[in-house]
Amino acid sequence: EVQLLESGGGLVQPGGSLRLSCAASGFMSNNFAMSWVRQAPGKGLQWVSSINSVGSNTYYADSVKDRFTISRDNSKNTLYLQMNSLRADDTAVYYCARFSPCGGDCPFDYWGQGTLVTVSS
Amino acid sequence: EIVLTQSPGTLSLSPGERATLSCRASQTVSSTYLAWYQHKPGQAPRLLIYGASSRATGIPDRFSGSGSGTDFTLTISRLEPEDFAVYFCQQYGSSPKTFGQGTKVEIK
Repeated sequence: EVQLLESGGGLVQPGGSLRLSCAASGFMSNNFAMSWVRQAPGKGLQWVSSINSVGSNTYYADSVKDRFTISRDNSKNTLYLQMNSLRADDTAVYYCARFSPCGGDCPFDYWGQGTLVTVSS
Repeated sequence: EIVLTQSPGTLSLSPGERATLSCRASQTVSSTYLAWYQHKPGQAPRLLIYGASSRATGIPDRFSGSGSGTDFTLTISRLEPEDFAVYFCQQYGSSPKTFGQGTKVEIK
């Protein structure tokens, strides 16, 4: 059974840093591109960042570029999101999601349950 | 970026009724690249429909997707108790991939 389990969320002050992790099980993560998606309170979902299966290509939303870094350790089946210079508008539930192996542009076929990040003083 | 607008915001229906959810895009979306997801509180979102009309693995046939261009629809033919949830659409053919704000289907 495919499972994605996020961790690392919590309360952090503005300007602070946090690293999220997403542990994958039930599949070989080195065969799949992965992504982070977030949902701020009362708002819709927002794509944050993506990484290809081997970690050589990364992509970011403009709102997080130069502050967030996505990475992966396929030997540990784990996806990461390093978040620096956090702002109040980064407050959200952060989900990791797996791209379906459709070839080309694909939807997300599995998601985690999310981890809450709160940026507040 | 492509903005997706879902309507209605909330749909109040009874089990057994038909639900029709709309997703309208600000620009043309290739029909190959429109997905629908179901999201229940505290759970992981679940892929229902991809390519505008193809059901994902294990999705019951009471769920169907249709549409093209800028107008897409998710239909649940007969609501089961487990179908009451939030549904959101996503376009994944243009960068950045964007989502609608969601439609909540609640029990009337």
